[in-house]
Amino acid sequence: GQNIDQPTEMTATEGAIVQINCTYQTSGFNGLFWYQQHAGEAPTFLSYNVLDGLEEKGRFSSFLSRSKGYSYLLLKELQMKDSASYLCAVVDSNYQLIWGAGTKLIIKP
Amino acid sequence: GAVVSQHPSWVICKSGTSVKIECRSLDFQATTMFWYRQFPKQSLMLMATSNEGSKATYEQGVEKDKFLINHASLTLSTLTVTSAHPEDSSFYICSARLTGLAEYEQYFGPGTRLTVT
Repeated sequence: GQNIDQPTEMTATEGAIVQINCTYQTSGFNGLFWYQQHAGEAPTFLSYNVLDGLEEKGRFSSFLSRSKGYSYLLLKELQMKDSASYLCAVVDSNYQLIWGAGTKLIIKP
Repeated sequence: GAVVSQHPSWVICKSGTSVKIECRSLDFQATTMFWYRQFPKQSLMLMATSNEGSKATYEQGVEKDKFLINHASLTLSTLTVTSAHPEDSSFYICSARLTGLAEYEQYFGPGTRLTVT
């Protein structure tokens, strides 16, 4: 079966750095997305990785290792508005998105 | 660019009635649209994939006669929840995929919160 694992919840302090991990086992791989979802709202796109390595975009960076079936989202200089759920999703061999359950990130002052 | 809208944003209906939710791609054409359902504190659950001009493909466990999907044009897909029951109360989100977009990125609508009383 296809499986994506993320921690259920994480807590971090404003101004700090947090890393949210995602491991996956899917039938084929055509890329990995990270989305941010605030409570009661639809997900918004953060990043897309299809090749190994680190993609940096402002305060957010995303890393992929295809051989390890592993990705992480790194958030720097955390702000209160970063409190949200972060969803990892993998594009499988049929080009369908397989969603993780999401990681709820709580930012404390 | 790549804006997706949904209407209504929230709806309350009585048990046994039907509710239609519209999903529109405002500034692009979407040959493929997706319908998701999300219960509180849970992740997105794909209900069906909708392709313009053809029948929707439903995920296992989703009743196609209860959740009617019509993708009549490249910019509009509708989801009709027929004979709604309280257990259908959920957050319904549509997304659209740009034609030929290599990244297969999906652009999400703002969602529709359905409450069935």
